[in-house]
Amino acid sequence: QVQLVQSGTEVRKPGSSVKVSCKASGGTSNTYTLNWVRQAPGQGLEWMGRIIPKFDIKNYAQKFRGRVTFTADESARTAYMELSSLRSEDAAVYFCAREEPQYDFLFDYWGQGTLVSVSS
Amino acid sequence: DIQMTQSPSSLSASVGDRVTITCRASQSISSYLNWYQQIPGKAPKLLIYAASTLQSGVPSRFSGSGSGTDFTFTISSLQPEDFATYYCQQSFRTPVTFGQGTRLEIK
Repeated sequence: QVQLVQSGTEVRKPGSSVKVSCKASGGTSNTYTLNWVRQAPGQGLEWMGRIIPKFDIKNYAQKFRGRVTFTADESARTAYMELSSLRSEDAAVYFCAREEPQYDFLFDYWGQGTLVSVSS
Repeated sequence: DIQMTQSPSSLSASVGDRVTITCRASQSISSYLNWYQQIPGKAPKLLIYAASTLQSGVPSRFSGSGSGTDFTFTISSLQPEDFATYYCQQSFRTPVTFGQGTRLEIK
């Protein structure tokens, strides 16, 4: 059984950066793809992009390109999402989600979410 | 970007009711349509993928259909644990996009 465990709540000031981690455990494959999805308070789901750690392949949604960076420590099975130049609109719960190996962009396992607050 | 439009945005129903949610894509996405359930404070849960395939472990009262631009999601007999928000998602092309959600409430 795959499990994704994310880092805890973060509080940041506008203009600063935040880095959220997502540690994967379980499963039988060493190759996995992690996507990042965020959800503003009371709002819907917004895809930010994905990383394939084994091949260091990254795809970023146009909206976040230049402001978000995905990295991974493959040996630790941990992925990171860093968002810079934070503004109030970035306040959201950030989820990592595993992509089903046989089906692109199908999210079969999710982390518990990390709340990021942005306030001066 | 492919726009996904769900209707209704909210729905009130009773235990035992049959409910249907629709999702329309702004262009054809073949059968690359998935449905998720989200309970407040929790992560989304995958219910149906490829428009009509039930994810392992998901009860058979959930079903989906459609292809191209028009899709439906049905719960045949609502159970108390089904009151949640449901999202459709297209996996045909990046950026991946979701519908705005349908909030299912107890009548």
